[in-house]
Amino acid sequence: GNSVTQMEGPVTLSEEAFLTINCTYTATGYPSLFWYVQYPGEGLQLLLKATKADDKGSNKGFEATYRKETTSFHLEKGSVQVSDSAVYFCALSDQGNTPLVFGKGTRLSVIA
Amino acid sequence: DAGVIQSPRHEVTEMGQEVTLRCKPISGHNSLFWYRQTMMRGLELLIYFNNNVPIDDSGMPEDRFSAKMPNASFSTLKIQPSEPRDSAVYFCASSLTGSDTQYFGPGTRLTVL
Repeated sequence: GNSVTQMEGPVTLSEEAFLTINCTYTATGYPSLFWYVQYPGEGLQLLLKATKADDKGSNKGFEATYRKETTSFHLEKGSVQVSDSAVYFCALSDQGNTPLVFGKGTRLSVIA
Repeated sequence: DAGVIQSPRHEVTEMGQEVTLRCKPISGHNSLFWYRQTMMRGLELLIYFNNNVPIDDSGMPEDRFSAKMPNASFSTLKIQPSEPRDSAVYFCASSLTGSDTQYFGPGTRLTVL
């Protein structure tokens, strides 16, 4: 079956540091890939997505590129802020209107 | 526009009691998903509906769990009787026809004592 593996946390960074959160997936076919973010006490919000190989999703300074050859979708940000502190989930979907398969989540803490 | 609405936001109950969680999807969305989030298992699908019809309920833990979607704007997840191991955050999400992007509600934090 489909699965998503993302790096274990927690990750603690200083403000303005570079962020990478690794995500790899296993899927039959060509899934869509997502990063969701969960701020403390809130639900999940879509951060970015990519639907085909070599697509780059981006939002709020975050980026991730769909790499079919390495089955990866790593999340990056060049300069993190304290407000980026949250839990980040990598996920995939086979096709429209089907459930998401999530990774375990990575907790990011950014300190001033 | 209103997002996905869930109620209650927090529920504390005693073992053996019935619990009903409610969800109102975004207007016009025809797919609805119930997920559960725990520290041990992360986010896992419980059940999902397309056009009010349950498509896959294989994630429902056992017969104590049931879900309904009587119309396009309302769904319930019921646990009867509740047990301490049901303590978790329950999320509802919805999506448009043909879209792979899901929009999540704020969740219901359930504590069973």
